[in-house]
Amino acid sequence: DGGITQSPKYLFRKEGQNVTLSCEQNLNHDAMYWYRQDPGQGLRLIYYSQIVNDFQKGDIAEGYSVSREKKESFPLTVTSAQKNPTAFYLCASRERSLYGYTFGSGTRLTVV
Amino acid sequence: AQKVTQAQTEISVVEKEDVTLDCVYETRDTTYYLFWYKQPPSGELVFLIRRNSFDEQNEISGRYSWNFQKSTSSFNFTITASQVVDSAVYFCALSAPSGGYQKVTFGTGTKLQVIP
Repeated sequence: DGGITQSPKYLFRKEGQNVTLSCEQNLNHDAMYWYRQDPGQGLRLIYYSQIVNDFQKGDIAEGYSVSREKKESFPLTVTSAQKNPTAFYLCASRERSLYGYTFGSGTRLTVV
Repeated sequence: AQKVTQAQTEISVVEKEDVTLDCVYETRDTTYYLFWYKQPPSGELVFLIRRNSFDEQNEISGRYSWNFQKSTSSFNFTITASQVVDSAVYFCALSAPSGGYQKVTFGTGTKLQVIP
């Protein structure tokens, strides 16, 4: 079945460490997105990519980095510069602009 | 700027009751798209519907229906005869040119609890 796979589901990180969240899709979608979800704040866009080897900052890109070397993959690195990284991270893709997103099941990151 | 407001933070209903989730949006664009997503406890958001600004027809899909009114900038979602499986967080979202179509703006969500 086609879909988006995010791994791991739960991730614990020590302060000062970088960590990479995986996002893989087999939907052949061009565009991929990373959102952060905090309680009571809805979803906020971190980064997005419309084609391979190109990506754009979203509303809260500071402290994060991404790469898009393959159409299927859009990993997100949470760096030590991100001051409040504990959150639920959602990856999404869509076939074309204005279509609905397909979301992954998310990664819950906790800094300990 | 574009904004989506879901004023209802949490709603509890008894099974088989009807429930309406409110969504009010703001945008200066005349062409835009509105969405509803469902987030069950598993965490994955599920796409429910997309509506463009030129189509004000109400939509019905089984027990779900959506009421789009441009005059009041609202896109409300009604679940008829609610079921326990409807328990989830529901998000309304907006995509418009001035915000960059790639930057979908989400509301803060409404948590629906259906009590058996």
